[in-house]
Amino acid sequence: GAGVSQSPRYKVAKRGQDVALRCDPISGHVSLFWYQQALGQGPEFLTYFQNEAQLDKSGLPSDRFFAERPEGSVSTLKIQRTQQEDSAVYLCASSPSTDTQYFGPGTRLTVL
Amino acid sequence: GENVEQHPSTLSVQEGDSAVIKCTYSDSASNYFPWYKQELGKRPQLIIDIRSNVGEKKDQRIAVTLNKTAKHFSLHITETQPEDSAVYFCAATDNFNKFYFGSGTKLNVKP
Repeated sequence: GAGVSQSPRYKVAKRGQDVALRCDPISGHVSLFWYQQALGQGPEFLTYFQNEAQLDKSGLPSDRFFAERPEGSVSTLKIQRTQQEDSAVYLCASSPSTDTQYFGPGTRLTVL
Repeated sequence: GENVEQHPSTLSVQEGDSAVIKCTYSDSASNYFPWYKQELGKRPQLIIDIRSNVGEKKDQRIAVTLNKTAKHFSLHITETQPEDSAVYFCAATDNFNKFYFGSGTKLNVKP
């Protein structure tokens, strides 16, 4: 079946712009996760949803980062007033429940 | 929180040789340990995983071993092939809600 999809795949933003990154999880997957992957590093946890409830947002680096999943399916990660240090690949993953996580292809964000 | 360390950061082997990548973790409550393979510009893909109630798991040329006492786990790839070249990440979790990843190992298999 279809895997996790993310859009856009690449995003270039000028410093100070707002961006919105979209994640479409595998159909029926209850859990959804966002990770930030800096160049040459492993993914770092940002936030986690179970259905529409955001149960953990401890990894969000600042209040400029906001995530939502209003209907328990598609999720959006929004970054306000982007800064150069926000440049990274943003990975979304989904999971049926207490099981492993299946990753999307990521969105590469470059902030100039 | 959990801290996962991964070694080596780069590994170069000759085709046909074996490759071993090691990870240590700090939280004794961690009970699930997946390994992901990430090719350049692509998504991380699960290649094998192990739960804390077993010490070893094998899938064709890939195996993972877990030592709960020492809090370390390893990925073993035998008879390496050029298509095994990629970055490999280990991870650990105690609740499936937050995976803690290692920093990755870049494996290069030379033909």
